[in-house]
Amino acid sequence: QQPVQSPQAVILREGEDAVINCSSSKALYSVHWYRQKHGEAPVFLMILLKGGEQKGHDKISASFNEKKQQSSLYLTASQLSYSGTYFCGTASNTGNQFYFGTGTSLTVIP
Amino acid sequence: SQTIHQWPATLVQPVGSPLSLECTVEGTSNPNLYWYRQAAGRGLQLLFYSVGIGQISSEVPQNLSASRPQDRQFILSSKKLLLSDSGFYLCAWSGITYNSPLHFGNGTRLTVT
Repeated sequence: QQPVQSPQAVILREGEDAVINCSSSKALYSVHWYRQKHGEAPVFLMILLKGGEQKGHDKISASFNEKKQQSSLYLTASQLSYSGTYFCGTASNTGNQFYFGTGTSLTVIP
Repeated sequence: SQTIHQWPATLVQPVGSPLSLECTVEGTSNPNLYWYRQAAGRGLQLLFYSVGIGQISSEVPQNLSASRPQDRQFILSSKKLLLSDSGFYLCAWSGITYNSPLHFGNGTRLTVT
């Protein structure tokens, strides 16, 4: 039930771009993205509700391919503050159960 | 605005001792409530979720239990802790639909010695 993310870890220099992928073996009704800083709780970034939907704020955006049961998170012109572990998440169709992906550790270096 | 409180922030307990972690939500009613555990350097494992008072669903067989005695109160308990229970425990709430984001408490770092 847990979505699988790739890559597991990535190291970037400031200003570089990254893509994090999230893939599910089950139908996705929505996809959430969260970022967790070391030692802190995850923080909600965005949610995508429809297949084909794309969203973004600042230089972080995401897409949702409902047919392929996949979502991707795009980080452009990365900043040091983008460092952390990124999780995708998906709810059951009833909205009661919520599962996080396997996580992607992203480190931005100067 | 809604807020979620979770305590304690850190806890060191000996093997075999009991556990009680509490989480309360303010500013919303009838939320979905969740307990997650995160082992060091690992992902977020869903332990329990609740859609209403007294309604608890368990995701993973273990020596932990959860209770929801009031609408906005969620408690995680154990009668006898194991070493493997160490980790970062996170309480979260969401609205009742699949498009509701999760909002987390600050977490409890539990070390079982």
